[in-house]
Amino acid sequence: EAGVAQSPRYKIIEKRQSVAFWCNPISGHATLYWYQQILGQGPKLLIQFQNNGVVDDSQLPKDRFSAERLKGVDSTLKIQPAKLEDSAVYLCASSLGPSPYEQYFGPGTRLTVT
Amino acid sequence: GESVGLHLPTLSVQEGDNSIINCAYSNSASDYFIWYKQESGKGPQFIIDIRSNMDKRQGQRVTVLLNKTVKHLSLQIAATQPGDSAVYFCADDKLIFGTGTRLQVFP
Repeated sequence: EAGVAQSPRYKIIEKRQSVAFWCNPISGHATLYWYQQILGQGPKLLIQFQNNGVVDDSQLPKDRFSAERLKGVDSTLKIQPAKLEDSAVYLCASSLGPSPYEQYFGPGTRLTVT
Repeated sequence: GESVGLHLPTLSVQEGDNSIINCAYSNSASDYFIWYKQESGKGPQFIIDIRSNMDKRQGQRVTVLLNKTVKHLSLQIAATQPGDSAVYFCADDKLIFGTGTRLQVFP
């Protein structure tokens, strides 16, 4: 079974630029999550989708972050404009359904903002 | 706000010994807890979970203990192996993760 795919794996941008991350969840998984993991910390949930609807985006900085899952499969997370403090690993995860279904994480995208 | 925290940032154990990683949580309404293992350059990987109506759950070489009275859970790894070296996180059903404990296994 293929795992959660993410791209790119690494990205370096300058502050005030924009960036987008892509996630392809495991086939059949209705729930998709985006997390931000700052170095030395645990993952922080940014947004949770159930199919193509948003379940929880309470911790998403909506002034600069946006995410979509238009067809209920792939998802993109965008940052515009980026700040230095956005440097982190952005993890995508998917599960058959919302908690307590087991989450499967992708390898993440490491973003460096200079 | 709600938090899930870990007691120690780093735990060093000798190969073959048992490891115990602790976690404290603040939300007494949390119904479910999960332990994850994260190796360098990879996403977290599910290890074991436990519901709040249980005190103990065992898996292969791992055991999770839940003490709701003091809002504490622990992950015990038996006969720790070099492949167990990683950062371990606890999380609750609100998807709040702790800071993590780095487990180092030395020969």
